[in-house]
Amino acid sequence: DQQVKQNSPSLSVQEGRISILNCDYTNSMFDYFLWYKKYPAEGPTFLISISSIKDKNEDGRFTVFLNKSAKHLSLHIVPSQPGDSAVYFCAASLTSGTYKYIFGTGTRLKVLA
Amino acid sequence: EPEVTQTPSHQVTQMGQEVILRCVPISNHLYFYWYRQILGQKVEFLVSFYNNEISEKSEIFDDQFSVERPDGSNFTLKIRSTKLEDSAMYFCASSGYYGYTFGSGTRLTVV
Repeated sequence: DQQVKQNSPSLSVQEGRISILNCDYTNSMFDYFLWYKKYPAEGPTFLISISSIKDKNEDGRFTVFLNKSAKHLSLHIVPSQPGDSAVYFCAASLTSGTYKYIFGTGTRLKVLA
Repeated sequence: EPEVTQTPSHQVTQMGQEVILRCVPISNHLYFYWYRQILGQKVEFLVSFYNNEISEKSEIFDDQFSVERPDGSNFTLKIRSTKLEDSAMYFCASSGYYGYTFGSGTRLTVV
C-alpha cells in the first residue's frame, strides 16, 4: 500500500534552472509533510516542511507547495545548484500518535553544471 | 548541532546470526525510531518507541526484531536470526519539539 508516491525516480536539471520534485499521497488524514535530502552513505536530512493548514512554505531557494484537494505536494528548488544533486524523499505524517513518517520512494535529482 | 549517532557504520554477518545495531539519540528527545532502506528502495518505517515501550510497529517488525533502551542513552535494534533479505541500511531517528533527526545509518550485509 503506497500511501506516499514519488512517480519520478530521477530528474536532471541544468544548473541555475528550476527543479520541481513531485509527491502524491493517498491518506487524507496526513496533516504534516516534509522533504528530506539524502546523500549516499548518509541518513536523510531535513529540508523543508509544511503543515496541512498552509499551501506554501518557502525557505531560501526551497519552496514546498501543498494541494490538499489533489493530495499533491511539490518541492521547487530555484536556482538549482550542483550541490543539490541527491535523492529527495517526501514524507507524510499525522501529528498525533507516534509521529511516524511514511516516506515516498525518492527522486534522484542530478543538477548538471 | 546535536546529532544521532549510529554504530557500527557497516556490519557484515552470517545468515542466522544475531546482530545488534546501536544508536545514541539526541538527549532531550522523547520518541525514537528505526527505519530501514533496502538498496534502491524507499525508507521504510520499522518501529517507534516512547516512554520505554514500543508505541507502533510495522508488519516488517516481526518476532525476529526487538528494540531496547537499556541505559537511558542507547537505543538498540536487535535482529535475532538474520536473513539475507535483512540486508539494508538501518536508520535510527529521534524526535523532539523541533522535529526528526536521523542518524547516518548502519549498513547491514547478511551473507
